[in-house]
Amino acid sequence: GAGVSQTPSNKVTEKGKYVELRCDPISGHTALYWYRQSLGQGPEFLIYFQGTGAADDSGLPNDRFFAVRPEGSVSTLKIQRTERGDSAVYLCASSRELAGGYNEQFFGPGTRLTVL
Amino acid sequence: AQSVSQHNHHVILSEAASLELGCNYSYGGTVNLFWYVQYPGQHLQLLLKYFSGDPLVKGIKGFEAEFIKSKFSFNLRKPSVQWSDTAEYFCAFTSSNTGKLIFGQGTTLQVKP
Repeated sequence: GAGVSQTPSNKVTEKGKYVELRCDPISGHTALYWYRQSLGQGPEFLIYFQGTGAADDSGLPNDRFFAVRPEGSVSTLKIQRTERGDSAVYLCASSRELAGGYNEQFFGPGTRLTVL
Repeated sequence: AQSVSQHNHHVILSEAASLELGCNYSYGGTVNLFWYVQYPGQHLQLLLKYFSGDPLVKGIKGFEAEFIKSKFSFNLRKPSVQWSDTAEYFCAFTSSNTGKLIFGQGTTLQVKP
């Protein structure tokens, strides 16, 4: 079956612009996660959804970042007024359900965001 | 604060050498532990996981890891590496009340043929 897909694979934008990154999870997975990976670092948690609601958004760095999952499937990560420091690979993962952390998360290929 | 420390940033081995990658986590409660691998040009994939029970867990491709609770460690091992094991390896954990993965900074393994 299809894995987690993310679009676009690469996004180059200018400082101050708005961007949207899309994640399409594995069918039937109710939990969806966003991570950000900077060069030479491990992925850093941003937000996760259980169904349509954000269960934990404690990793969002500031109010320029926002994510939605209106129908409990596809999710969009939105970044307003992008800054050069936002440049990173944005990873999406999904899992069957959130049950005490006993979940294997399946990762997508990521979106490489470059802010000029 | 919750964190993961991977002791080696870059490891270079010859084929058939043994591998051990160190991982220590910082968290006072119950954890679920993971090793993820990222091969060149590919996305992150699960190598092995520990939830409970036998602290020695076996994963894909001959990898294993041992959970030592008293040391807050979850080191990854392989008796004989292959050139195809060249990749970046990430140790991570979730706590029992949340699904978010806390990752280490990763270890780049280069295996010379």
